[in-house]
Amino acid sequence: EAGVAQSPRYKIIEKRQSVAFWCNPISGHATLYWYQQILGQGPKLLIQFQNNGVVDDSQLPKDRFSAERLKGVDSTLKIQPAKLEDSAVYLCASSFPRQGRPGNTIYFGEGSWLTVV
Amino acid sequence: AQKITQTQPGMFVQEKEAVTLDCTYDTSDQSYGLFWYKQPSSGEMIFLIYQGSYDEQNATEGRYSLNFQKARKSANLVISASQLGDSAMYFCAMREVTNAGKSTFGDGTTLTVKP
Repeated sequence: EAGVAQSPRYKIIEKRQSVAFWCNPISGHATLYWYQQILGQGPKLLIQFQNNGVVDDSQLPKDRFSAERLKGVDSTLKIQPAKLEDSAVYLCASSFPRQGRPGNTIYFGEGSWLTVV
Repeated sequence: AQKITQTQPGMFVQEKEAVTLDCTYDTSDQSYGLFWYKQPSSGEMIFLIYQGSYDEQNATEGRYSLNFQKARKSANLVISASQLGDSAMYFCAMREVTNAGKSTFGDGTTLTVKP
């Protein structure tokens, strides 16, 4: 079974530039997550999709970050304009939802490493 | 609000010995799940073990076991017979049934296995 695919793996940009990350979840997984992981910290949820609808984006800095999941499959996370503090690993993850059950495992991609200079 | 606390920034263990990584959590939900993930230096997040809040027995997966104490709101990970390849960052995470199934991660514990 193919895992969560992400691209690009590495990106270096200057501040105020824009960047986009792509994610393709595991086939059949309706729930898709984007996390931001700053070095030395745990992943922080940016946005969670259920199919193509947003269920949680409370920690997404909406003035510069945007995400979409058209057709309920793959997703794109965009940052514009980037700031130095956006340097982090952006992890995409997916899970198969079981209504009312919290035990569906979240599977992660390898991450997209962003450096803003 | 849900919260995960991992109080050990770094831990050392001798190869072949057992080690316990601490995790405490805070939630007002009655139904939730607790997870442990391993993150090697390569950056990938590897799922290790899951414990449901209504599970009566502690979860085990090979050399990993979860010491679940619901009244104390703790979910410690026990790694038996440590191996050099266990050196990594370990994250405790929780998901609630309500709150759109939102997941929260702790800040992790760096485990170093010494030969």
